[in-house]
Amino acid sequence: DVKVTQSSRYLVKRTGEKVFLECVQDMDHENMFWYRQDPGLGLRLIYFSYDVKMKEKGDIPEGYSVSREKKERFSLILESASTNQTSMYLCASSLGLAKNEQFFGPGTRLTVL
Amino acid sequence: SQQGEEDPQALSIQEGENATMNCSYKTSINNLQWYRQNSGRGLVHLILIRSNEREKHSGRLRVTLDTSKKSSSLLITASRAADTASYFCATKGAGSYQLTFGKGTKLSVIP
Repeated sequence: DVKVTQSSRYLVKRTGEKVFLECVQDMDHENMFWYRQDPGLGLRLIYFSYDVKMKEKGDIPEGYSVSREKKERFSLILESASTNQTSMYLCASSLGLAKNEQFFGPGTRLTVL
Repeated sequence: SQQGEEDPQALSIQEGENATMNCSYKTSINNLQWYRQNSGRGLVHLILIRSNEREKHSGRLRVTLDTSKKSSSLLITASRAADTASYFCATKGAGSYQLTFGKGTKLSVIP
């Protein structure tokens, strides 16, 4: 089974802090994704990567950056956390382009105070 | 941009009944997928239907796709309390790596 793990289930940070969210997948998937999920807004794509060192902006990239130095690891970075970035963050991975079934991690609930 | 829209937003049924959720989308797709999310957890892929397919089954799940109406439905037969979750449809365009998710239907199955 594909396993996608995220570094923390719950995280509390202060406004202005730099925040790193880590995601690791163990199935050699090319594609990795970061979403945020908010009540009433559903899942919104922040960034995705289709290869090592490649990244593409999603629908809401402002205030975020990403890093993919190794195939299995995709990091989401909040350069200067703000309260409006309090959310559930979900990482996912998928193999290839044709079907694109995504496998999700358990999520990180981030609270910015 | 949000493409899929699920209907209803919330659904409450008795155990043993069937649950039907609908999804509408706006642009042409390569495939449509349904996911389940238990409270506070990640999403789990349930079923994928390609644009050239009209119906697909997987266990107690039945998915239909009508590309002329740009809509899909997910039927869960003989529901169980463990089916209580939020269900999302997600669409994939041709040549795209991305999935676009709807806002979900929250299903409650009462024992």
